[in-house]
Amino acid sequence: EAGVAQSPRYKIIEKRQSVAFWCNPISGHATLYWYQQILGQGPKLLIQFQNNGVVDDSQLPKDRFSAERLKGVDSTLKIQPAKLEDSAVYLCASSLAHRDTTPLWGNTIYFGEGSWLTVV
Amino acid sequence: LAKTTQPISMDSYEGQEVNITCSHNNIATNDYITWYQQFPSQGPRFIIQGYKTKVTNEVASLFIPADRKSSTLSLPRVSLSDTAVYYCLVGERGGSYIPTFGRGTSLIVHP
Repeated sequence: EAGVAQSPRYKIIEKRQSVAFWCNPISGHATLYWYQQILGQGPKLLIQFQNNGVVDDSQLPKDRFSAERLKGVDSTLKIQPAKLEDSAVYLCASSLAHRDTTPLWGNTIYFGEGSWLTVV
Repeated sequence: LAKTTQPISMDSYEGQEVNITCSHNNIATNDYITWYQQFPSQGPRFIIQGYKTKVTNEVASLFIPADRKSSTLSLPRVSLSDTAVYYCLVGERGGSYIPTFGRGTSLIVHP
């Protein structure tokens, strides 16, 4: 079974430029997550989709970050304009279903290898 | 909100058993406990999940007491390759499950 695919793997941009990351989840997985992980910290959830609807985006800096999941499969995360503090690894993850559709939460989250962003 | 508390770091030596305890006092009735492992330059990887008592797989064991307010990840006979960050997650209360990671426990295995 193919895992979660992400691209690009590495990206270096100047501040105020824009960048986009792409994610292809595991086939059949309804839920897709974007996490931001700053060096030395745990992953922070930016946005969670179920199919093509947003479940939670409370920690997404909406003035500069946007994400979409058209057709409920692939997703893109965009940052415009980028700031120095956006330097981090952006992790995409997916899981089979959402808690509301299962009697008990038991879904495993599968992560991609991440997209490393350096803003200079 | 089911907050978790773990030690920030632990050190061990090859061949020893390592136990990492996670506190989750506000765990909800329907919540599972899941542990993830993260190596440098990689995304977190699922290692084990449980609801109560004991769960064992080929990688680790998970011990959960009756009150479920804590859990212990046990890694038998660790090797250098077990050096990683280990995260404990529990389900969030409320209408939607939102997987929230803490800072995790950084385990360093020494030769």
